[in-house]
Amino acid sequence: QVQLVESGGGVVQPGRSLRLSCAASGFTFTNYGMRWVRQAPGKGLEWVAVIRFDGSNQYYADSVKGRFTISRDNSKNMVFLQMNSLKAEDTAVYFCAREGVVLDYWGQGSQVTVSS
Amino acid sequence: EIVLTQSPATLSLSPGERATLSCRASQSISYYLAWYQQRPGQAPRLLIYDASIRATGVPARFSGSGSGTDFTLTISSLEPEDFAVYYCQQRSNWPHLTFGPGTKVDI
Repeated sequence: QVQLVESGGGVVQPGRSLRLSCAASGFTFTNYGMRWVRQAPGKGLEWVAVIRFDGSNQYYADSVKGRFTISRDNSKNMVFLQMNSLKAEDTAVYFCAREGVVLDYWGQGSQVTVSS
Repeated sequence: EIVLTQSPATLSLSPGERATLSCRASQSISYYLAWYQQRPGQAPRLLIYDASIRATGVPARFSGSGSGTDFTLTISSLEPEDFAVYYCQQRSNWPHLTFGPGTKVDI
């Protein structure tokens, strides 16, 4: 069965960095794009970054462009989100999701809290 | 940016009743609309994509309709596990997906 498991979240001070990981299993990883979506406390869903199946292209929401980097390791079925220069408004649960036609499978999320 | 609005914000119903949720796009998105269900403390779950196609394993009581700018998610007879928040999402402007603000269906 498809599984996506995020890790790497935590509490970090403003301006610092954090790297999230997402381990994928149960499907042919190289056939799918992967996307990070976040949800601030009590708020809705916001896409953050997406990477194509082969890693050839990456796209970012304006709110994180220049600060976040998405990457993947197809040999390990992993996708990553490097988050630099974190701000309080980046506080959220970060979900990784498999993207075929749509976001058909989601991980359980990783909490990121940016606070001094 | 394509903006999605959902109505109502909250829908208060009882088990067995019919729920009708609306999603409106700020410009035409053809049929590129999906619906997700999110229960408290859980990840979103895909229900419907391309406006009307049920995802794998989704019960038949869930149905979607619409095209262009106006879309509807219908739950024909609410089960206790259906009380949750529902989000619509467009993919017409890929990679810039946008989500609606959600409709909470509560008892």
